[in-house]
Amino acid sequence: NAGVTQTPKFRILKIGQSMTLQCAQDMNHNYMYWYRQDPGMGLKLIYYSVGAGITDKGEVPNGYNVSRSTTEDFPLRLELAAPSQTSVYFCASSYSPRTGVGYNSPLHFGNGTRLTVT
Amino acid sequence: DQQVKQNSPSLSVQEGRISILNCDYTNSMFDYFLWYKKYPAEGPTFLISISSIKDKNEDGRFTVFLNKSAKHLSLHIVPSQPGDSAVYFCATSGSRLTFGEGTQLTVNP
Repeated sequence: NAGVTQTPKFRILKIGQSMTLQCAQDMNHNYMYWYRQDPGMGLKLIYYSVGAGITDKGEVPNGYNVSRSTTEDFPLRLELAAPSQTSVYFCASSYSPRTGVGYNSPLHFGNGTRLTVT
Repeated sequence: DQQVKQNSPSLSVQEGRISILNCDYTNSMFDYFLWYKKYPAEGPTFLISISSIKDKNEDGRFTVFLNKSAKHLSLHIVPSQPGDSAVYFCATSGSRLTFGEGTQLTVNP
């Protein structure tokens, strides 16, 4: 099992360009998430999905879009890149929506995409 | 409004000694708490968790303590090893995970 795979590992964009960050998981998890991590900050949830065809906004969704056409894939789209989107992006998946009492389903993270917008 | 805070950005300890990482939260409705560990150029990995009905959970060298009245969580690593050097995030579970800012732990040989 590869787990959660993210591509690319690094990318430099110019302001106004667009790109798609790819995320794929092979664990048959229904729940998938996109986080961003800025220096000295925790991980902030951008978007999440509870299954194919269903997505919802997290804490910081502005400037991003997602789609979930299959269980395996959850791409994140930046339409008009801005310097504020310079960050490390992590995709994650889980079996359960919550890691609370009665569940044993921690998030499985990919290795991240480091994006710089200049 | 930062609901989960790790007030120490960094911690340095000697190999073999105890490492104590701290985390404070504001929402008393959180019912499950987790620690994740992150090495450079890798994603975070789950380390240990605790339910709000407990005050301690132990897994080998790692123990998590929960003080609900103080809304405080701590991770103890004993004995610390150089391979434990990483960023540690605490997280709380409500409708979705909320992460702290992280603490960089450095264990010196």
